[in-house]
Amino acid sequence: ETGVTQSPTHLIKTRGQQVTLRCSSQSGHNTVSWYQQALGQGPQFIFQYYREEENGRGNFPPRFSGLQFPNYSSELNVNALLLGDSALYLCASPGPPELFFGEGSRLTVL
Amino acid sequence: GENVEQHPSTLSVQEGDSAVIKCTYSDSASNYFPWYKQELGKRPQLIIDIRSNVGEKKDQRIAVTLNKTAKHFSLHITETQPEDSAVYFCAASRQAGNMLTFGGGTRLMVKP
Repeated sequence: ETGVTQSPTHLIKTRGQQVTLRCSSQSGHNTVSWYQQALGQGPQFIFQYYREEENGRGNFPPRFSGLQFPNYSSELNVNALLLGDSALYLCASPGPPELFFGEGSRLTVL
Repeated sequence: GENVEQHPSTLSVQEGDSAVIKCTYSDSASNYFPWYKQELGKRPQLIIDIRSNVGEKKDQRIAVTLNKTAKHFSLHITETQPEDSAVYFCAASRQAGNMLTFGGGTRLMVKP
């Protein structure tokens, strides 16, 4: 299996703050995607990066932004945090199997 | 965009019985349909997937069927065991591993 590592595993922020979540893949694959999973719901696609450029985006506002670095590690940045941003944020990389998720970063916004 | 509906939201079965979870999708261009299992506090893990050129796929106690005309696909688990208890998600996309749209999930409880 392809190892996908995310950090931090848990964090607490206050409304209005900014947060940066990080992801790295052992496979060094050139594609990475991010998903938001609110409690009790299925993951929702945020965006995907291919070779350091965003090449797909779900229904999320611009305050959700990302970066992919030359070593194919990735960041998810969220500005002006809202209570509704509280969720598990999952990074995913092509496997095998086809899409392999990391363990996620659980963000709580107070 | 794609919309995936999943039913039921909860399912309770006796150990050894079968469990069936159903999903419908809206985008006729979707070609890849994976199923993920997520245990409490863990990441979603792929358990089986099917592509649109196949109507059925089986892996031991797990099978998935796809009806492209009706735009629905189903997960079948036979001889359920307590360790099958988890939340199961279906998903759909136009390309394998790309921009998945997930259903809302089914919480399966297998009673010993």
